[in-house]
Amino acid sequence: QKEVEQNSGPLSVPEGAIASLNCTYSDRGSQSFFWYRQYSGKSPELIMSIYSNGDKEDGRFTAQLNKASQYVSLLIRDSQPSDSATYLCAPVTGTASKLTFGTGTRLQVTL
Amino acid sequence: DVKVTQSSRYLVKRTGEKVFLECVQDMDHENMFWYRQDPGLGLRLIYFSYDVKMKEKGDIPEGYSVSREKKERFSLILESASTNQTSMYLCASDDSTDTQYFGPGTRLTVL
Repeated sequence: QKEVEQNSGPLSVPEGAIASLNCTYSDRGSQSFFWYRQYSGKSPELIMSIYSNGDKEDGRFTAQLNKASQYVSLLIRDSQPSDSATYLCAPVTGTASKLTFGTGTRLQVTL
Repeated sequence: DVKVTQSSRYLVKRTGEKVFLECVQDMDHENMFWYRQDPGLGLRLIYFSYDVKMKEKGDIPEGYSVSREKKERFSLILESASTNQTSMYLCASDDSTDTQYFGPGTRLTVL
């Protein structure tokens, strides 16, 4: 079982719709979770972090965390073509407290 | 703004050459990381460093070494480059919240 699992996609959503990106992780001790966005040919950039169960909203983005189910998700409301990118889920894992990255979900927002 | 810079965006080397990839951060971060990113495999941690002259192996350290003589600079060394080390190399540093900030990446091709 991979430490961090994401559907590779592509996930295709029409402009203006809600995109839902999901991630499961295996380390029950993980306490901190990060979502990064990576455009093709570019390096990852932080979108948001979440540490507590429940929802955390930042503009059009909402992160959701359920530690009991070992599940974290990212919702993007009013999706725009500029949101087309690969989204990486990264919990902090292990005794060294380092990020472990999923392989990412590719999102395509269509006109 | 946190700034992480890498010495080259693109690099072409020949098999057997010694290769140095340099990374510099300007935010006085303790921890620095080197990853490689390959299609379908995601970001894989090569080495990380939590202090000057300190280093820890990541998930795929074979064929690589690192050097951290100053806090702001973390170098990745390929002692004898091989074609299977052709990849995108990403450097990152993190702050006290475990948030990692990435450099622009170096696309290395080994012929």
